[in-house]
Amino acid sequence: SYELTQPPSESVSPGQTASITCSGDRLVNKYTSWYQQKAGQSPILVIYQDTKRPSGIPERFSGSNSGNTATLTISGTQTIDEADYYCQAWDSSTVIFGGGTKLAVL
Amino acid sequence: QVQFVQSGAEVKKPGASVKVSCKASGYTFTSYAIQWVRQAPGQRLEWMGWINGGNSNTKYSQRFQDRITITRDTAASTAYMDLSSLTSEDTALYYCARSRGASYNDYIDYWGQGTLVTVSS
Repeated sequence: SYELTQPPSESVSPGQTASITCSGDRLVNKYTSWYQQKAGQSPILVIYQDTKRPSGIPERFSGSNSGNTATLTISGTQTIDEADYYCQAWDSSTVIFGGGTKLAVL
Repeated sequence: QVQFVQSGAEVKKPGASVKVSCKASGYTFTSYAIQWVRQAPGQRLEWMGWINGGNSNTKYSQRFQDRITITRDTAASTAYMDLSSLTSEDTALYYCARSRGASYNDYIDYWGQGTLVTVSS
């Protein structure tokens, strides 16, 4: 079965750039979505179809996908961006989630 | 605005079944799929299955294939997730969420608030 692998945690200083990776076999051939989940809240979509931002998501969130790795980039990270981030792709009409990355902003 | 109202928390004994409902509003129910995703305490998101709101086609994760049933009532704009043979490992927050479909270019754009299911003897 298809798997997506994320680092368990990342840390970034406020104002710096955070990069969260998501690896999967030939992931470039799939669209990747990214979800942000803050403590005690439901996930929200922050990036879809690799690079697109839903309305209401700040411009500091961006995405890319190349080879076997998709990346979520947060430019000028703010303390409010501290959360768990999950990547997601489809495989044979099933939803695949990565294991999640806990982003600490400190 | 798109909104989901899920049924309230449940406490079940091992071996029992649970049925969680998800009432949708703010969009045409039959034009989208409903996804079911669960999250055990402190754990990752785990996809369980989806139902096409229009034609009621379903797809289940192999992990739950033999004990999950997802249905929908278009008149009530409500989807249901039924999970049987519960064990303590099924203790989790169960989310419903929306996607346009179940294709490679789809994405989950709205999530419910979650329903806590606790399995305990």
